[in-house]
Amino acid sequence: SQQGEEDPQALSIQEGENATMNCSYKTSINNLQWYRQNSGRGLVHLILIRSNEREKHSGRLRVTLDTSKKSSSLLITASRAADTASYFCATDPVNRRALTFGSGTRLQVQP
Amino acid sequence: DAGVTQSPTHLIKTRGQHVTLRCSPISGHKSVSWYQQVLGQGPQFIFQYYEKEERGRGNFPDRFSARQFPNYSSELNVNALLLGDSALYLCASSLGGLVSYEQYFGPGTRLTVT
Repeated sequence: SQQGEEDPQALSIQEGENATMNCSYKTSINNLQWYRQNSGRGLVHLILIRSNEREKHSGRLRVTLDTSKKSSSLLITASRAADTASYFCATDPVNRRALTFGSGTRLQVQP
Repeated sequence: DAGVTQSPTHLIKTRGQHVTLRCSPISGHKSVSWYQQVLGQGPQFIFQYYEKEERGRGNFPDRFSARQFPNYSSELNVNALLLGDSALYLCASSLGGLVSYEQYFGPGTRLTVT
């Protein structure tokens, strides 16, 4: 079963614009991670935010976490055509030894 | 440094057959996890092995099994293949035994069952 659900399912923007993706989950977590996947290939780890953190930055990426609402957001600033990919949130639920992925957001950045 | 490697890249099998997928983790990583990704969905956790012991198991039937070798490489075996087993099978390695650690994914094995 999918623990996290991303929103929107698909997003199309112009190069230079910001892209925001949201993730909601159901149970208490130790941490939440975001991954990127190009065209059905392997996933690449982007950022990890722990349950006691509220915001984290890495380059053009900004992640927020609201454990009271069980939600997270990923912001990609100044998007580039090379950012075109699927983005997944993955939660590390408390009391379960399994990284649980959402269904993903497909981002298309138009040059 | 070499990343996570998986073999084969693609595989076509018929219903009822058996398949073995292989994974070599990043050097120094002792944990290997397996995921199944059906087209259009996120990866689903199948197994995690750490130091050659099973640390976690997802909601998959007993037809799925795995093992980890002394060199930390791993095999995923699927018996009595069904059409629904067609998917991208991803292997990920990490330093520690908890899934909290950053996972490094291989390129995957595309399995098609006809």
